[in-house]
Amino acid sequence: QQQVKQSPQSLIVQKGGISIINCAYENTAFDYFPWYQQFPGKGPALLIAIRPDVSEKKEGRFTISFNKSAKQFSLHIMDSQPGDSATYFCAASLGDGLTFGKGTHLIIQP
Amino acid sequence: ETGVTQSPTHLIKTRGQQVTLRCSSQSGHNTVSWYQQALGQGPQFIFQYYREEENGRGNFPPRFSGLQFPNYSSELNVNALELDDSALYLCASSLTGDSNQPQHFGDGTRLSIL
Repeated sequence: QQQVKQSPQSLIVQKGGISIINCAYENTAFDYFPWYQQFPGKGPALLIAIRPDVSEKKEGRFTISFNKSAKQFSLHIMDSQPGDSATYFCAASLGDGLTFGKGTHLIIQP
Repeated sequence: ETGVTQSPTHLIKTRGQQVTLRCSSQSGHNTVSWYQQALGQGPQFIFQYYREEENGRGNFPPRFSGLQFPNYSSELNVNALELDDSALYLCASSLTGDSNQPQHFGDGTRLSIL
């Protein structure tokens, strides 16, 4: 049973555009929702995270929007740059390990 | 501040063998989690150790086992290796075992089973 569903699988955005990645979860007991960025040959790096009592969190060009009633959350990357090209994972936690989505391969075209 | 380090970076084994992977947690972190990442997939939670005790386990068979040492470094042991065990094994450390503590990952050990 996949508890965190992520879409799209791949995404191509023009430089300067907005990249949007969506996730939906099933378990309402999840209480922490991080996003990770992974480059080839590297481990995932924490980008930004949110708790369900907050509807939006912004850090630089990265924003998480959280809709508790719909059990959905999304990552927005503003002013996308070629250096943002990577695989992005949403995740959810309820106490021990993280449950990850399957990832979104993002390509920013110059 | 030293981040999470894992060794070795790459390893090749054959079916039926046993393997031990190692992880040094980030300074000040007492919790270590292990994940398996198959090619093109998201990481899957194997187990977590908090202050030398197993604190949670994902859907992995008992041939996947672990240890955490007094300095909070950790080992992942896999017995009776199968072809499907070929993956990137990631270690993450966090300040505590609380769910809202950020987990910081190492760059992983790439395990190939022949």
